[in-house]
Amino acid sequence: DAKTTQPNSMESNEEEPVHLPCNHSTISGTDYIHWYRQLPSQGPEYVIHGLTSNVNNRMASLAIAEDRKSSTLILHRATLRDAAVYYCIPLGGGSNYKLTFGKGTLLTVNP
Amino acid sequence: DTGVSQDPRHKITKRGQNVTFRCDPISEHNRLYWYRQTLGQGPEFLTYFQNEAQLEKSRLLSDRFSAERPKGSFSTLEIQRTEQGDSAMYLCASSLAGKYNEQFFGPGTRLTVL
Repeated sequence: DAKTTQPNSMESNEEEPVHLPCNHSTISGTDYIHWYRQLPSQGPEYVIHGLTSNVNNRMASLAIAEDRKSSTLILHRATLRDAAVYYCIPLGGGSNYKLTFGKGTLLTVNP
Repeated sequence: DTGVSQDPRHKITKRGQNVTFRCDPISEHNRLYWYRQTLGQGPEFLTYFQNEAQLEKSRLLSDRFSAERPKGSFSTLEIQRTEQGDSAMYLCASSLAGKYNEQFFGPGTRLTVL
């Protein structure tokens, strides 16, 4: 499994953009990059995933570096409900069903 | 509510007792997963079913742990002779088969072994 490095914690103010980085320098060419988040006292929830191109959905945007060794999850306007632990997870190959979570980034959103 | 449900939400037991947890996945999902999460850590994969077949078990799943998914619907996770180290949140998730399909997680069962 590709290893990931994320900041332990980040802080943002409400209604400001947040950029959550992830390094995955050992990612294989066929691994997709998935992001999940876990709100307090809840199970994780899917946020977004991508392979090479930048991706957008209603929750967030995912910017993937050209060499695919890093990616950034972008929350365009943070809300208090976005306070959570965010996990970056390369997924693919023979274990494309198995999520390997690291410690993630704890995002605090200030009102 | 058509999400993943887990029962019970909390379980307190004494060391040496057996416990069983249930997971009801989203009805059309044919894949079901169990994860375990301890405080301050991300979830760790335990096992995975496609329909009723258990296709992978993690090394974390000792002989005291057994999981079933009869008829490919709900699943149970049993822990025999519980130990204090088994205290954790046990999470269930489900998905459709296919590459990179998102997994939908339940709220988890928090186990405390005294």
